[in-house]
Amino acid sequence: DTEVTQTPKHLVMGMTNKKSLKCEQHMGHRAMYWYKQKAKKPPELMFVYSYEKLSINESVPSRFSPECPNSSLLNLHLHALQPEDSALYLCASSQNRDVTLHFGNGTRLTVT
Amino acid sequence: DAKTTQPPSMDCAEGRAANLPCNHSTISGNEYVYWYRQIHSQGPQYIIHGLKNNETNEMASLIITEDRKSSTLILPHATLRDTAVYYCIARGYTGNSKLTFGKGITLSVRP
Repeated sequence: DTEVTQTPKHLVMGMTNKKSLKCEQHMGHRAMYWYKQKAKKPPELMFVYSYEKLSINESVPSRFSPECPNSSLLNLHLHALQPEDSALYLCASSQNRDVTLHFGNGTRLTVT
Repeated sequence: DAKTTQPPSMDCAEGRAANLPCNHSTISGNEYVYWYRQIHSQGPQYIIHGLKNNETNEMASLIITEDRKSSTLILPHATLRDTAVYYCIARGYTGNSKLTFGKGITLSVRP
């Protein structure tokens, strides 16, 4: 079990759907991250939140919209995705500015 | 952050030590060496990090050469559950909070 919980574990969505991925941690961490991982590739950073404010956006397309409603929760809103967006989406958290990241086990997204 | 280079894969026998090498010849003085691993279908897991001294915890040992240009992660008694992709990352401890993964090394532990 991990201390970072991601829901759902699997998601299938059409290109016209709107869906959200959720991530929750109760370790008191003030930095939270979204990574995307394609098959047989390393994780790629998408977004970083620090103290509930977006601090890094790695030029991610606007069809991915992150939200950090409070220090324990991180959402990723998905709209008008493409089949090539199918991937494992990983959430992580850390003490702010500390790179000892704690990862969830991800949401496996399939876009049809 | 300094670039790291790892062989693509290696294997070892169960119960034996697994020594995973990493080259980071351009590492700067304030950059740490971090190791994470990713077991299939799971998120990455932090293992250990160090600056210049050797480090040991309950999971592994990290040996960093005196010139800091390379390091070795040692799993003293590998088990089948240690089969995973291991990532070596060089990063400063301060600055923006980015952790960038390279290709990693796939360790296969055989029975």
